[in-house]
Amino acid sequence: KQEVTQIPAALSVPEGENLVLNCSFTDSAIYNLQWFRQDPGKGLTSLLLIQSSQREQTSGRLNASLDKSSGRSTLYIAASQPGDSATYLCAVSRSGTYKYIFGTGTRLKVLA
Amino acid sequence: DTGVSQDPRHKITKRGQNVTFRCDPISEHNRLYWYRQTLGQGPEFLTYFQNEAQLEKSRLLSDRFSAERPKGSFSTLEIQRTEQGDSAMYLCASRYSTDTQYFGPGTRLTVL
Repeated sequence: KQEVTQIPAALSVPEGENLVLNCSFTDSAIYNLQWFRQDPGKGLTSLLLIQSSQREQTSGRLNASLDKSSGRSTLYIAASQPGDSATYLCAVSRSGTYKYIFGTGTRLKVLA
Repeated sequence: DTGVSQDPRHKITKRGQNVTFRCDPISEHNRLYWYRQTLGQGPEFLTYFQNEAQLEKSRLLSDRFSAERPKGSFSTLEIQRTEQGDSAMYLCASRYSTDTQYFGPGTRLTVL
């Protein structure tokens, strides 16, 4: 059974810092992994999607890496801004199923 | 691009009542997901449609829950005989050929 864990559960940093969010999964037979952002009381916004054959994806100040063998993904945020404050969620899917398994998220606060 | 819309945005009901939620995906998206999210948790997969076919349903979903997607357009999620444990945010997401999911704003259900 796939389990997804995100550490830390909450993080508070001053503006301008570079930071890393972690996502671990127990079953390495994944199809893809996605990182999402969720603002309070809102739906999710997709940030980056990494296929199982890829090692990383980049979008602007965001970089996500994937290491299937160790069951880990990291989301790197460069030069953090107060507008980055949100909950960040990772989700994995497995070949042969349409189901996505989400972690519980990391709640990020960037202080001005 | 009007995005994914969900109706209603909030629903308060009494225990034992039936409720129905609607999701309108982005117009060209033929794939649709329903998720449930409780406070402090990541979304939990409920069901998946490709066009009008319901291809996967969570085993966690009791038979009080049913979803439809007539003609492969909008989708409805019905909960019969609601229980207090059904209180949650119900999220809909859609996608086309890529794996990136686009989420709606959610329907917040409160069962009294």
